[in-house]
Amino acid sequence: DAGVIQSPRHEVTEMGQEVTLRCKPISGHNSLFWYRQTMMRGLELLIYFNNNVPIDDSGMPEDRFSAKMPNASFSTLKIQPSEPRDSAVYFCASSSTGTGGVYSNQPQHFGDGTRLSIL
Amino acid sequence: SQKIEQNSEALNIQEGKTATLTCNYTNYSPAYLQWYRQDPGRGPVFLLLIRENEKEKRKERLKVTFDTTLKQSLFHITASQPADSATYLCAPISGSARQLTFGSGTQLTVLP
Repeated sequence: DAGVIQSPRHEVTEMGQEVTLRCKPISGHNSLFWYRQTMMRGLELLIYFNNNVPIDDSGMPEDRFSAKMPNASFSTLKIQPSEPRDSAVYFCASSSTGTGGVYSNQPQHFGDGTRLSIL
Repeated sequence: SQKIEQNSEALNIQEGKTATLTCNYTNYSPAYLQWYRQDPGRGPVFLLLIRENEKEKRKERLKVTFDTTLKQSLFHITASQPADSATYLCAPISGSARQLTFGSGTQLTVLP
C-alpha cells in the first residue's frame, strides 16, 4: 500500500524564490491536510481540503502561502516569495471522512515531509 | 484560548518498565483524542483513538485513558522496549474545531 507521497524531501533555496511542495494522498482518501512543524511552534495545521475543496485556510500564515488541490490525487503548497522564517518541515496528511461530513475523527496518514531551508 | 500540554519534553525509562505520558488540555471539550508516534525524519504515525465516552482503550502493549473531568489523557506503554523510543503526540479533536490540534509532544527514550 502506497502511503502519502511528498516531494521533494529536501529543498534549499534563497530568500525571495518561489517554492512549490507537492503531495499525493492515499487513494480513496477525501480529506487532505497541510501542516508545518518547527521546534518553536510544533505541528501547526495550515489548510485542509475535503473533496478537493479548501475548507479552512485560517492557519495559512500570510498571503505568500497558497495551496491547491486540482484533483483527488494531487495537491501543492506554494510559497512566493519565500523568507528565512518559512524554514520548517512541511507535512501533508490524508484521511477518509468519518461520520459527520467534514468533521472527521479518522486517523490521519502523514507523508515523511519536506524539509525546507530558506537562506 | 485552547491549550494542550504534554508532560516534560523528555522522558527516560528503563527497558521493561511502563512509560506513562500525560496530555492535559484546557478550554477544550474534545469529543475524541488521538495519539501519534513520530520518529526522527518521519511523519507522525497514528496509534490510538479514544472517544469521550470511553474511559480506556487498549492495543497490544499500549493503553490510553481519557478523563473528561480532569481534562487529561494518559498514554501507557507496558513492557517498554528500546524500539519504543520516539516522540509521542496527543491530538484532541472537538466538533467545533473540525480538525486535530497537536500537542508539542513528549520524547521518550527507553534505555536498554
